[in-house]
Amino acid sequence: SQQGEEDPQALSIQEGENATMNCSYKTSINNLQWYRQNSGRGLVHLILIRSNEREKHSGRLRVTLDTSKKSSSLLITASRAADTASYFCATDPIESGYSTLTFGKGTMLLVSP
Amino acid sequence: EAGVAQSPRYKIIEKRQSVAFWCNPISGHATLYWYQQILGQGPKLLIQFQNNGVVDDSQLPKDRFSAERLKGVDSTLKIQPAKLEDSAVYLCASSEGQYVRHGYTFGSGTRLTVV
Repeated sequence: SQQGEEDPQALSIQEGENATMNCSYKTSINNLQWYRQNSGRGLVHLILIRSNEREKHSGRLRVTLDTSKKSSSLLITASRAADTASYFCATDPIESGYSTLTFGKGTMLLVSP
Repeated sequence: EAGVAQSPRYKIIEKRQSVAFWCNPISGHATLYWYQQILGQGPKLLIQFQNNGVVDDSQLPKDRFSAERLKGVDSTLKIQPAKLEDSAVYLCASSEGQYVRHGYTFGSGTRLTVV
């Protein structure tokens, strides 16, 4: 089953603009992770935010987590054409006694020059 | 460090044939995962190994899929016999242990087409 649901399903912006993607999930989590997938390739880990953290930054990426609303957002600032990819949130639920990621369906981001 | 290696990169087979995929995780990573990603969807976990033991195979269609991780390093995933709905990208990933601190490292995947 897929716990995370990304929104929007697709996003088209111009270079230099910011891109915001949202993720909602259903059960309590240990952490939430964001991954990027370029067409036809494997997933690349972007950032991990723990359940006791509210915000995290990595370069042009900013992730927020609201455990009370069971939601997260990924902000990419000053986007570039190279950011064109699918972005997935993945949740690591507390209920299992080990780390096991469940992925959402992803957001397709298109950044036009 | 070397990444997660997968082979083959692409495979086309007819339905009812068998196929096998191979994965070599990052050296020292105890946990290995196989995910299935159907076009337009997110990856779905098929099986998770901790060293050479199975931690979770609840979503593995055991009537046709099998996987093993001998000696706690390389792993193979087999489908026998294949169905049309098995067409997907099969992704292997690894992590340092059962309690992940830095995320998973994925291989480039094997794209399977069943005709």
